[in-house]
Amino acid sequence: NAGVMQNPRHLVRRRGQEARLRCSPMKGHSHVYWYRQLPEEGLKFMVYLQKENIIDESGMPKERFSAEFPKEGPSILRIQQVVRGDSAAYFCASSPDRLPDGYTFGSGTRLTVV
Amino acid sequence: AQSVTQLGSHVSVSEGALVLLRCNYSSSVPPYLFWYVQYPNQGLQLLLKYTSAATLVKGINGFEAEFKKSETSFHLTKPSAHMSDAAEYFCAAFTGGGNKLTFGTGTQLKVEL
Repeated sequence: NAGVMQNPRHLVRRRGQEARLRCSPMKGHSHVYWYRQLPEEGLKFMVYLQKENIIDESGMPKERFSAEFPKEGPSILRIQQVVRGDSAAYFCASSPDRLPDGYTFGSGTRLTVV
Repeated sequence: AQSVTQLGSHVSVSEGALVLLRCNYSSSVPPYLFWYVQYPNQGLQLLLKYTSAATLVKGINGFEAEFKKSETSFHLTKPSAHMSDAAEYFCAAFTGGGNKLTFGTGTQLKVEL
């Protein structure tokens, strides 16, 4: 049973380009969470999704960032018109229900904006 | 709103010495509490969790943590550090009414010979 799969592991984008980060949850997990990790800041919650629904997006920047978790396929975190400040590690976690007992984290996508 | 504070962004211990990583939470209701470990360029791995059962929680790799409501603390300890324990450690809290795990800023543990 594969864990949470994130790809790509590393992503380099020029300022102004779009970044798409993918997350395939563990089999049987229908809850997906995205976190961003900046140096010296720990992990910051971005968004919580279930299949086809955004449950909590209180941590998402108001502009340029969006997330989806379609009925089929992985969850996607999309960053439009990237800026240097978007450089960070983005982690996805999944769980079988809302409680974090079952959180499993992926290995992350490290985004570098040049 | 809940928050998690980790005192000491960097902790250095000698191999074989006691490891103590501090975590305090701020919550109006008893939270669920977690410790995660992150090795370089990897994701987070759950070390242990407190979910209102026993206040002393044992985890993997010889780590344990004690929930102290009076001190709003959940410090992580290990009696004898090993070189392989060098990593970053995160404390996290979740309250039942919320939707997300809130993390502290992390503590980088260095183990020296």
